[in-house]
Amino acid sequence: AQSVSQHNHHVILSEAASLELGCNYSYGGTVNLFWYVQYPGQHLQLLLKYFSGDPLVKGIKGFEAEFIKSKFSFNLRKPSVQWSDTAEYFCAVNPFTGGYNKLIFGAGTRLAVHP
Amino acid sequence: KAGVTQTPRYLIKTRGQQVTLSCSPISGHRSVSWYQQTPGQGLQFLFEYFSETQRNKGNFPGRFSGRQFSNSRSEMNVSTLELGDSALYLCATSLGQGTNTEAFFGQGTRLTVV
Repeated sequence: AQSVSQHNHHVILSEAASLELGCNYSYGGTVNLFWYVQYPGQHLQLLLKYFSGDPLVKGIKGFEAEFIKSKFSFNLRKPSVQWSDTAEYFCAVNPFTGGYNKLIFGAGTRLAVHP
Repeated sequence: KAGVTQTPRYLIKTRGQQVTLSCSPISGHRSVSWYQQTPGQGLQFLFEYFSETQRNKGNFPGRFSGRQFSNSRSEMNVSTLELGDSALYLCATSLGQGTNTEAFFGQGTRLTVV
């Protein structure tokens, strides 16, 4: 079955620390990859996406992610986190191309950033 | 442009009742997908509608159903509610065609079954 694994369920960092959240998926075909963020009390927002091309993608708020096809991974990174990055982060895979709107989500990672 | 609108925001229902949730997509978006979010199971795909047709379905019982109207607005219905149906129900809309599309989420409807 198609699945998405996020390795860290809870991460606690101090401001200015670097962040890396792991994401692996189990699907051998062409996929579209996403990271979504859910701030407390807010809706899911798209952080960044990978469709094709350069495997290093940049998103909003200084986040970036690297797609490594051989490892079926799409890890999220940020060089220096801020208190405002406190949120839950979800990796998601769309195993369909052609416009189908079906996302398979990881379990999420709760990030707490302390000032 | 306006985002994805879900109504109502909160609902409290009794076991055995049924409920209907609504999702209005971003203008021009023809695909609407529904997700259930719970602390235990996370975000799970329910179904997707495109041009008034169900195009994809997740692993949920038949008590969960949906439909889409000609203006792309979608409703989902849950019949014979169970306590375990308490969750945040999210809809996500996208263009629905083309190679690469991204989905935009609404605020969700928080359903509590008592």
